[in-house]
This record gives sequence, C-alpha cells and structure tokens, in this order.
Amino acid sequence: NAGVTQTPKFRVLKTGQSMTLLCAQDMNHEYMYWYRQDPGMGLRLIHYSVGEGTTAKGEVPDGYNVSRLKKQNFLLGLESAAPSQTSVYFCASSYSVHGGADYNEQFFGPGTRLTVL
Amino acid sequence: AQSVTQLDSHVSVSEGTPVLLRCNYSSSYSPSLFWYVQHPNKGLQLLLKYTSAATLVKGINGFEAEFKKSETSFHLTKPSAHMSDAAEYFCVVSPFSGGYNKLIFGAGTRLAVHP
Repeated sequence: NAGVTQTPKFRVLKTGQSMTLLCAQDMNHEYMYWYRQDPGMGLRLIHYSVGEGTTAKGEVPDGYNVSRLKKQNFLLGLESAAPSQTSVYFCASSYSVHGGADYNEQFFGPGTRLTVL
Repeated sequence: AQSVTQLDSHVSVSEGTPVLLRCNYSSSYSPSLFWYVQHPNKGLQLLLKYTSAATLVKGINGFEAEFKKSETSFHLTKPSAHMSDAAEYFCVVSPFSGGYNKLIFGAGTRLAVHP
C-alpha cells in the first residue's frame, strides 16, 4: 500500500514551458486535491476533484489545469510556466469531504519541488 | 469566514523540555481540527485529529492537543521534546458546513529542538 505518490520529485522549467505533475493513490479515495506550498503561507488549494471525471477550482487556480480521467490519478498541468509558479506542490486524497475528521482526513504525497527560471 | 492562526512562526526548545504550539481558529460551524507535521523535504504527516469524541486528543509520538471551544483554541503539546521533533507543524481546520469541507491551513510553526 503506497498511499499517495507523486512524480516527478523535482523539476526545473524555463518560463513558457509546459509540464504535467502526476498524482496517484491506491486507497480508493473519491476525493483528490492539489496544493502549493510557499514559505510562510501554509498550503493553498489549487484544484480539487470529488470523483472520476470531475474537477473544481480551489483558492489559487489561475495558470493551472487538472484532469481526473481515472479514479486513482489526478494530473496537474502548467501550460505556460511562470516564475511565480516556483513552489512545492502537494497532492492529497481523502475518503470523503463530509462528516467529521474520520472521513475528511487528507493523506498527502511527498511533494514535487518545481523551479521556473 | 473560517480561518486558523498559528500564534508563533518559530518555537525553540531544549531537548527534554515541554513543547507548546499554539493554534486559534474561527469557524461558524463545528469544525474538524487537525495537526500535521512536515519534516524537512518531506510530505505532511497527520499527528492527530479532533473528531468531537473527546476534547483531549492523543496523537503519535507523544503529542496531544486539547480542543477548547470557549477559547476557540487547539494547542499542541508534548511533555518532553526530542531532537527528532524538529519540523514544521501545521494546524488545520475543516469547517463543517454540510457541503465541501476544504482544509484551511495555518501558516505553520517551525519547531527547533536544541541539545
């Protein structure tokens, strides 16, 4: 049981390049999330998905797109990278989003460190 | 509006002394509350969670937190710090509103433990 995995672990891009970050979970969770972490700002939600084939915008969605073609995978795309997107990206998943903490606890991947030059 | 405030951005303690990381939240509803820990260059790991079953919540590695509704606080404590506790800690609130329960993260508290 690997939990939540992310690829790649590190990436350096030039401004204007594109890339896709892959998140995979093997816990059969319905809900998946992409966050970015910047110093002193905690984690901010980029996009999330409440099930296969569905996605929704979070707090900071601009410049990113996502897809959830399979329940276990959640992809984050940057179409034209900008230096402001230099960050650490975390994927997470949860069983549910309703009810108490037993149901909406989120499980996190190890992160992807992205630098845009 | 829901929010969470971690009152200290940095806390420094000596090994073997108590740890107190402070967290206040605001929520219009009965929240779920979590503490996560992040070791350098690692992902986030759940320390403990408040499920409304008990106000004193015990977590992993000897940490515990007490939910105080009157003070809207969920402070994290540990009786005796260990060098391996050096990490960043995030207080997280998930306000239950009947719809999507997004997680709201505090800015984090970096804990340093000195020999």
